Amino acid sequence: EDKVVQSPLSLVVHEGDTVTLNCSYEVTNFRSLLWYKQEKKAPTFLFMLTSSGIEKKSGRLSSILDKKELFSILNITATQTGDSAIYLCAVEARGNNDMRFGAGTRLTVKP
Amino acid sequence: KAGVTQTPRYLIKTRGQQVTLSCSPISGHRSVSWYQQTPGQGLQFLFEYFSETQRNKGNFPGRFSGRQFSNSRSEMNVSTLELGDSALYLCASTAFIGTAYGYTFGSGTRLTVV
Repeated sequence: EDKVVQSPLSLVVHEGDTVTLNCSYEVTNFRSLLWYKQEKKAPTFLFMLTSSGIEKKSGRLSSILDKKELFSILNITATQTGDSAIYLCAVEARGNNDMRFGAGTRLTVKP
Repeated sequence: KAGVTQTPRYLIKTRGQQVTLSCSPISGHRSVSWYQQTPGQGLQFLFEYFSETQRNKGNFPGRFSGRQFSNSRSEMNVSTLELGDSALYLCASTAFIGTAYGYTFGSGTRLTVV
């Protein structure tokens, strides 16, 4: 059965800290891994990763995928209070038209 | 361009009733997926529609159903509501599967069953 596991489930840091969020997966016929940020309701798209070893960056956020070890990490540097949110990891499988989500990591950034 | 629009934003229903939720995708997006989000189970896939056809369905009972219209707008229906159906229902649209831009979510409908 397809599985997506995120860790830690919860994290509290102070502004300026760097955080690393983890996502491991087991899925048949992997197509892509996606990261989303959910602040209140609508998850907003951050990254889609399909190839191993290629880092994707957007400002202070970056992510990389390891298809051999079946995991991805999301890094946030110089955290700000506005980064406080739930970060969701999801995987897509070829042949399916759905995303399998992890439970999410709740990040709290304190001033 | 306008985002994914879900209506209503909030809904309170009584056990045993039925409910219909609506989702209008981004213009040009033909795939619409529905997800249920609860604190205990996280985001779980309900079903996905493309060109008025259901292409995939998650592990939910038959009380959960949906449809898609020719303009790509989608509705989901839950009949005989149970307390456990209380959740945030999110829909997401995409232009095509595998697009590098992922899926765009709406703000959801918060359903409370009392």
